Amino acid sequence: GENVEQHPSTLSVQEGDSAVIKCTYSDSASNYFPWYKQELGKRPQLIIDIRSNVGEKKDQRIAVTLNKTAKHFSLHITETQPEDSAVYFCAGAGGYQKVTFGTGTKLQVIP
Amino acid sequence: ETGVTQTPRHLVMGMTNKKSLKCEQHLGHNAMYWYKQSAKKPLELMFVYNFKEQTENNSVPSRFSPECPNSSHLFLHLHTLQPEDSALYLCASSQEGGSVNYGYTFGSGTRLTVV
Repeated sequence: GENVEQHPSTLSVQEGDSAVIKCTYSDSASNYFPWYKQELGKRPQLIIDIRSNVGEKKDQRIAVTLNKTAKHFSLHITETQPEDSAVYFCAGAGGYQKVTFGTGTKLQVIP
Repeated sequence: ETGVTQTPRHLVMGMTNKKSLKCEQHLGHNAMYWYKQSAKKPLELMFVYNFKEQTENNSVPSRFSPECPNSSHLFLHLHTLQPEDSALYLCASSQEGGSVNYGYTFGSGTRLTVV
């Protein structure tokens, strides 16, 4: 089955700096890679996703890149703000019953 | 609350109790899921339902049993749980079409404590 590894497990950045979270996957059949943000005590929320037919996608301060050859994808947050502090989960999916999540990255943005 | 609603938000139960978790989605999605979230572990898929078929994760103990009476409601029936079953149980829904994935909408979860 799919195995998704996520690094780092914790990340602290100064407000205004960029944050990068990286994930690798094992199943070459995976074709959908969503990212979820979970604030303390709240539900995970989809913030951005990318499909295997594109290499990069942006949404304001958030971007995701995908390297199919190397089987890794990354989340980039620019100009970080305190409200970006949360746990971020990556996932890889090859079908709706085949979603595998990473272990999460706790991001702390220091004002 | 719109989207995906879970009740109760918190539940404390003894190991001999029987309780049920409820999930309701108001999004018209055709797939619903139960996930278990424990500290320092990935989200673990427990069960998947959609209007066409049910899928069980074979590693889920029989003390957890799902029920999906219609495409909007999902239950997780609990009985004779163990303390290690204490976790946040998340319900999610999505609109799935064939082999194409779409993102999940999660509920707020039920924080379960087994004593």
